[in-house]
Amino acid sequence: QKEVEQNSGPLSVPEGAIASLNCTYSDRVSQSFFWYRQYSGKSPELIMSIYSNGDKEDGRFTAQLNKASQYVSLLIRDSQPSDSATYLCAVKGSGGYQKVTFGTGTKLQVIP
Amino acid sequence: DTAVSQTPKYLVTQMGNDKSIKCEQNLGHDTMYWYKQDSKKFLKIMFSYNNKELIINETVPNRFSPKSPDKAHLNLHINSLELGDSAVYFCASSPTGYSYNEQFFGPGTRLTVL
Repeated sequence: QKEVEQNSGPLSVPEGAIASLNCTYSDRVSQSFFWYRQYSGKSPELIMSIYSNGDKEDGRFTAQLNKASQYVSLLIRDSQPSDSATYLCAVKGSGGYQKVTFGTGTKLQVIP
Repeated sequence: DTAVSQTPKYLVTQMGNDKSIKCEQNLGHDTMYWYKQDSKKFLKIMFSYNNKELIINETVPNRFSPKSPDKAHLNLHINSLELGDSAVYFCASSPTGYSYNEQFFGPGTRLTVL
């Protein structure tokens, strides 16, 4: 079983719609969760971090965490063509210098 | 500009050669990382240093050797390059404290081994 799983996509949504990106993880003691956006040929860019169960909103982005279900998601409201990118879910275990494990990413295409 | 920078951006070399990639951050972070992103876009950690001390050393060939002369610099030296080493190598850094592990990535070095 992969440590961090994401649907590779592509996920296609029309402009203005809500894009929903999902991620599951296997390490039950994971404490920190991140979403990165990576445009083609560019480096990953942190867009959201979440540490507690529930929702965290930042502009058009909402991260949702459910530790009991080992599930984290990212919602993008009013999707724009500029949101078209690969979204990487990343998870860190608890304590000390635990590494961050990345999923393989979901490619999002926003259709004008 | 405050950022993570890497040199070179592109590296094309022959099998068997030795090459180095350099990374510098001026964000004041204590922790730095090397990642490898393969052709399938999977981002895998290789090494991490905290204040010049090696703290993460994943299973990578001994041909890869990181060096951190100070907490703002982390270099990667690769001996006897192989075809399978072709990938994009990203350097990253992260601060201490609550936001530890919120990582900031450099622009990447695309290594092509012929």
